[in-house]
Amino acid sequence: DAKTTQPTSMDCAEGRAANLPCNHSTISGNEYVYWYRQIHSQGPQYIIHGLKNNETNEMASLIITEDRKSSTLILPHATLRDTAVYYCIVRYHNTDKLIFGTGTRLQVFP
Amino acid sequence: GAGVSQSPSNKVTEKGKDVELRCDPISGHTALYWYRQSLGQGLEFLIYFQGNSAPDKSGLPSDRFSAERTGGSVSTLTIQRTQQEDSAVYLCASSQGGGQGNGYTFGSGTRLTVV
Repeated sequence: DAKTTQPTSMDCAEGRAANLPCNHSTISGNEYVYWYRQIHSQGPQYIIHGLKNNETNEMASLIITEDRKSSTLILPHATLRDTAVYYCIVRYHNTDKLIFGTGTRLQVFP
Repeated sequence: GAGVSQSPSNKVTEKGKDVELRCDPISGHTALYWYRQSLGQGLEFLIYFQGNSAPDKSGLPSDRFSAERTGGSVSTLTIQRTQQEDSAVYLCASSQGGGQGNGYTFGSGTRLTVV
């Protein structure tokens, strides 16, 4: 089972891009990378996922390295409401089960 | 429904009592998951239901924990003879399932306090 490594915490100034790294060096070719976030006292919220190609949606962009051993979640213009714990997860092959790690606590400051 | 609904939102119980936590998934979602989150910790996987398949119970911490999903919809997580270490937020999520990688939708959780 591929595991992920994320920094424990990060800071970002409001209006700047937040770049959250994730290492998943043991990922296999058919495992997806998922990102979720959890704002205090709420259930986690799906952000984005990808396999090989970079992905973008209304919330964020996901950049996956060519060797797939790491990825970066980008919030292009962070706001105070983006303060949350961000989880990088590798989805088990052929199941929908997601195993959450400890995540990165992102603090956006004014 | 529009989202995943969990009840009760808060539950305080005495040590040794049994509790039942309920989850109503999004209509049409075939996959349902239970997680728990202790204070300041990440999410711990408990159990996963996919359609009519046998559930994946690999995350249940002890035989005091069980879950069922009736009619492929509502799920109940039961904790017997509760202990203080069972105090946590219990989160339920659902997804379209089928191994297609669709995102989960989480409920707001049930905060369980064992005194």
